[in-house]
Amino acid sequence: GESVGLHLPTLSVQEGDNSIINCAYSNSASDYFIWYKQESGKGPQFIIDIRSNMDKRQGQRVTVLLNKTVKHLSLQIAATQPGDSAVYFCAGEGQNFVFGPGTRLSVLP
Amino acid sequence: GAGVSQSPRYKVTKRGQDVALRCDPISGHVSLYWYRQALGQGPEFLTYFNYEAQQDKSGLPNDRFSAERPEGSISTLTIQRTEQRDSAMYRCASSYGLDTDTQYFGPGTRLTVL
Repeated sequence: GESVGLHLPTLSVQEGDNSIINCAYSNSASDYFIWYKQESGKGPQFIIDIRSNMDKRQGQRVTVLLNKTVKHLSLQIAATQPGDSAVYFCAGEGQNFVFGPGTRLSVLP
Repeated sequence: GAGVSQSPRYKVTKRGQDVALRCDPISGHVSLYWYRQALGQGPEFLTYFNYEAQQDKSGLPNDRFSAERPEGSISTLTIQRTEQRDSAMYRCASSYGLDTDTQYFGPGTRLTVL
């Protein structure tokens, strides 16, 4: 079966620092990946996506890196702000979507 | 069942008709999410439930869309007075735990509004 998972369940960073959230996937047929952000009591919101023919994609303050060789995905958040505190999910589509368990990002003042 | 199931798998309807899409989550899963997915894009959040309580419905496009999960298991997404722009894949996901747990997606219902 396929799985998408995160290395760490929690991550604490100082405000202003960069954050890196990692994700591993097992289905080598996955060709599309997404990062979502979920705040307490709210549903997941799309952040950024990347297709398997790319290894990097940048958005506003966020960058997603894809390493297909080791089946690893990461989300980098530049200059982390208090509003970035949330749970972050990675998701990959191969045969079907799977959302890995989330990583809770806490931004320290 | 072994996974999340959705029915019908395909639905073709005429504009103005109401449709009801069903999601049967994995047995014992507490949380249930509804998403809409356009071709070539990722799922867009619509609403979700913890048990029978609707936690967040901010993703529902307008008041023609509603969802319920009366007994904390099966959920129904209802679209009233369908419009052509409602055509999409509607996907359901469930997770065993709350919020941060792994979500498993169903195969989706492909809705086509003529």
